[in-house]
Amino acid sequence: DAKTTQPTSMDCAEGRAANLPCNHSTISGNEYVYWYRQIHSQGPQYIIHGLKNNETNEMASLIITEDRKSSTLILPHATLRDTAVYYCIVRSSNQAGTALIFGKGTTLSVSS
Amino acid sequence: GAVVSQHPSWVICKSGTSVKIECRSLDFQATTMFWYRQFPKQSLMLMATSNEGSKATYEQGVEKDKFLINHASLTLSTLTVTSAHPEDSSFYICSARVSGDYEQYFGPGTRLTVT
Repeated sequence: DAKTTQPTSMDCAEGRAANLPCNHSTISGNEYVYWYRQIHSQGPQYIIHGLKNNETNEMASLIITEDRKSSTLILPHATLRDTAVYYCIVRSSNQAGTALIFGKGTTLSVSS
Repeated sequence: GAVVSQHPSWVICKSGTSVKIECRSLDFQATTMFWYRQFPKQSLMLMATSNEGSKATYEQGVEKDKFLINHASLTLSTLTVTSAHPEDSSFYICSARVSGDYEQYFGPGTRLTVT
């Protein structure tokens, strides 16, 4: 798997957009970028994934740079319930049978 | 969406006893299940991968005789922590996937405290 680098922690004011960066400079052509989050004492929750195009769903948007070496997860209007650890994971489609491997992630703290 | 449950959600046991944790896929058949553990302020660490009807594959450093995994059906996998010790106290999380599906669905976790 390509290695990912994320900031250890970030703060965000409630109602503002939270932009969480992830560097994956060694990503290869068939590797997807996945984002999960883990709220304290819960199991991880899938957020979004993408290959090269920007993606949006009801939870977040994923912006992938043209060279695919980095991406940004955007929570457009952060709420207190978005306080969690956010994990950026890169893996290829032929790894579908293998487990997700989690790095240290970014701890996002949303405050009022 | 696909739902994975775990039981119990938390358990306290005495040192030297064994405890079983169940992981169930409620609305789909899971050909593969994964077990993770997470110590405080750390990330999830993969313990083992189990395919229905096969022996589990353990990650390096995980004692297979201590952490017994059974995946006897397509909807149930169990993790038994044998002769538990305080250092086994952790948050245990399972996940499941369907053959041909890229998605991995996570359970809510089980908090184990060994006294």
